[in-house]
Amino acid sequence: QQQVKQSPQSLIVQKGGISIINCAYENTAFDYFPWYQQFPGKGPALLIAIRPDVSEKKEGRFTISFNKSAKQFSLHIMDSQPGDSATYFCAASQRNAGNMLTFGGGTRLMVKP
Amino acid sequence: KAGVTQTPRYLIKTRGQQVTLSCSPISGHRSVSWYQQTPGQGLQFLFEYFSETQRNKGNFPGRFSGRQFSNSRSEMNVSTLELGDSALYLCASSLLAEQFFGPGTRLTVL
Repeated sequence: QQQVKQSPQSLIVQKGGISIINCAYENTAFDYFPWYQQFPGKGPALLIAIRPDVSEKKEGRFTISFNKSAKQFSLHIMDSQPGDSATYFCAASQRNAGNMLTFGGGTRLMVKP
Repeated sequence: KAGVTQTPRYLIKTRGQQVTLSCSPISGHRSVSWYQQTPGQGLQFLFEYFSETQRNKGNFPGRFSGRQFSNSRSEMNVSTLELGDSALYLCASSLLAEQFFGPGTRLTVL
């Protein structure tokens, strides 16, 4: 049972454009939502994370938007660069139940120069 | 601060064999989680250890097991390997909610 659904599976954006990746979750007990970036041959790297008591969090060019009522959250990459080309994963966990992350299926982003 | 290290980085085994993978967490981190990553199933949680105790377990058969030592280092073991066990096995360590991943061990089962 996939509890976190991620879309799109792949995304092509021009340099300088905005990349938007969406995730939806089912388990209302989730209370921690991180995004990871993974390059080929590497492990996932934590990008940014949000808790459900805020609707938006921004770190540099990366912004998470969170809609608790819709059970959706999204990653926006502003001014996308070719170096941002990677696979992005959203995830969710329930903090009082340990560190078990449920991941979305991933989005392969390509930023064209 | 050194990151999460995993050894070995690559392994080739044959069906029926068993394998042990090792993970050294970031210094001070007491929680270690293991994940399996495959093209078909994506990233799936295997288990989590905290202070030498298994705190969570994913939906994997009993052939997959793990343990954690007093220095927080962790090992996972897969017995009676199957072709479908070919995957990237990732270890993540955490102090609080944030999990930091190692580079993974690429296991190929022939």
